[in-house]
Amino acid sequence: DTEVTQTPKHLVMGMTNKKSLKCEQHMGHRAMYWYKQKAKKPPELMFVYSYEKLSINESVPSRFSPECPNSSLLNLHLHALQPEDSALYLCASSQDMGLAGGQETQYFGPGTRLLVL
Amino acid sequence: GEDVEQSLFLSVREGDSSVINCTYTDSSSTYLYWYKQEPGAGLQLLTYIFSNMDMKQDQRLTVLLNKKDKHLSLRIADTQTGDSAIYFCAENTNAGKSTFGDGTTLTVKP
Repeated sequence: DTEVTQTPKHLVMGMTNKKSLKCEQHMGHRAMYWYKQKAKKPPELMFVYSYEKLSINESVPSRFSPECPNSSLLNLHLHALQPEDSALYLCASSQDMGLAGGQETQYFGPGTRLLVL
Repeated sequence: GEDVEQSLFLSVREGDSSVINCTYTDSSSTYLYWYKQEPGAGLQLLTYIFSNMDMKQDQRLTVLLNKKDKHLSLRIADTQTGDSAIYFCAENTNAGKSTFGDGTTLTVKP
């Protein structure tokens, strides 16, 4: 089973709202990722968690706040977003983060399509 | 530096073979990946190849790797309309970071 699930599938929010995106995997993977993807563009890395600790933050604005409550769950808390934050938000997981024998191979969820009005 | 390049568009007829090309710059890549993204969906891992291999075949998919020229290709045999999608080439060079190409939009005409 190589399934990563994400909820909700779609989200519309105003610039003053607070919402959260959720991601779950039950593959025993210890690395989890958040990406942002604009239409017709490749995914852009936002955050990486390794063993439930934040390992990489690609200079993401503080209005995006990641959280990893346990090894299977990854959340992205959203607050005071801008219209330009509208995008597809993808979660991914891999066995591990390091470059070792394919353990870094990432499996993606279906994404949450976010529209900020 | 890290840079992955792909041609942006490819159009083929149903039943023909499709070949999607990718060039990368970082010779320290250990694995190279092909992902497929259908409209409105996430990225689906199609196949990957270890950098010490020249070729990998998986049903209709054939991956060729020329490490000397840093060139990767994905061949889809007997292309079907369901293969219409964006195909991303990617490499992992730093722990936790993948570098993606801009994606090739494959259009399959009946």
